[in-house]
Amino acid sequence: DIQMTQSPASLSASLGETISIECRASEDIYSNLAWYQQKSGKSPQLLIYAANRLQDGVPSRFSGSGSGTQYSLKISGMQPEDEGDYFCLQGSKFPLTFGSGTKLEIK
Amino acid sequence: EVQLVESGGVLVQPGRSMKLSCAASGFTFSSFPMAWVRQAPTKGLEWVATISTSGGSTYYRDSVKGRFTISRDNAKSTLYLQMDSLRSEDTATYYCTANWELQYWGQGVMVTVSS
Repeated sequence: DIQMTQSPASLSASLGETISIECRASEDIYSNLAWYQQKSGKSPQLLIYAANRLQDGVPSRFSGSGSGTQYSLKISGMQPEDEGDYFCLQGSKFPLTFGSGTKLEIK
Repeated sequence: EVQLVESGGVLVQPGRSMKLSCAASGFTFSSFPMAWVRQAPTKGLEWVATISTSGGSTYYRDSVKGRFTISRDNAKSTLYLQMDSLRSEDTATYYCTANWELQYWGQGVMVTVSS
């Protein structure tokens, strides 16, 4: 199985700050990488797919990058509504595997 | 508007069976592969199973293989998850999701396996 190592586990950011979350795959996943946001008590929402494609309706302050085994999600200018948990997902091979998640809070 | 509405979750004893349903609307259900993802209380997300558009191909995580069956009825725009021989570690909120990149998600249904 492909292991997804996500970091950091938690992050505290000030309003307007730019933050990054990383995911490292145990093998090349050929940009088959998605990012999700999950707010407390809610279902996950797709933010980014194919490593860097912004899902319709997602604010442009979210961006994704990476290739091979290393990927990152960037939020350019933290907003209050960005608080929540963030997960990466590799869709290159079954079983699909998620990162362990990053809890993002406002400082 | 895309909607995925899960149903069927409840408290069940270990070793028993349960069937989840997911009613889809707002998109062409038959054109989308579908999947189930679960989340144990206070834990992360875990992929469970995926089914192709026609239902001809199915994929499972090892821990549910042989116990769970994913299926779909394209005429009814409904996805199913038959869960047999349930274990306490299957306790989770189960989400119905659409597309290979899990583009759309339902609100989730809680399944508790306990005696």
